[in-house]
Amino acid sequence: EAQVTQNPRYLITVTGKKLTVTCSQNMNHEYMSWYRQDPGLGLRQIYYSMNVEVTDKGDVPEGYKVSRKEKRNFPLILESPSPNQTSLYFCASSLSPGTNEQYFGPGTRLTVT
Amino acid sequence: AQKITQTQPGMFVQEKEAVTLDCTYDTSDPSYGLFWYKQPSSGEMIFLIYQGSYDQQNATEGRYSLNFQKARKSANLVISASQLGDSAMYFCAMSGYNQGGKLIFGQGTELSVKP
Repeated sequence: EAQVTQNPRYLITVTGKKLTVTCSQNMNHEYMSWYRQDPGLGLRQIYYSMNVEVTDKGDVPEGYKVSRKEKRNFPLILESPSPNQTSLYFCASSLSPGTNEQYFGPGTRLTVT
Repeated sequence: AQKITQTQPGMFVQEKEAVTLDCTYDTSDPSYGLFWYKQPSSGEMIFLIYQGSYDQQNATEGRYSLNFQKARKSANLVISASQLGDSAMYFCAMSGYNQGGKLIFGQGTELSVKP
């Protein structure tokens, strides 16, 4: 089954404790990205990757890091989480950017206290 | 700058009736894609339908169709024969050729289907 998986689905953590949200897709997609969804602000892109070892900032990259060492995986790293990073996070992938549907993972609900 | 506007924060529809969710967009990209996603209360984002800016025909996927009017810059979603399971948030989104694949989302429309 074609899918994008994210782990964990729910996470409560404390300020400053490094965490990683994993994302994996089994569709051999080249393009992957991370979004955050906040009430009143909608969905905003954090980072994206065109292919292995090719990543770039989206609209709200501050406080986040990503890596793309393998085509299937695109982890999101919060080196020192802060309460303003409390959000619903989505990983997405598509065959190519912009002209194909982007498949979204199930979401990770993060709370930073 | 690219922008998506959904002017209906909430909509009600009777079960088995059709409903249209409005979406207008603004872009300077010569080539772009328009998307609709469904987000039920459980939170996942479910892809519904895609329309390319150069597609001559309106996209259809089962009960979903996209009414694409390029000159008016509108991409309305039509859901036929509404079902109770259609109750959810619906997001219109756009990705432009020069935007690196980034999806720009509207604020969403919350659809409630009445039995």
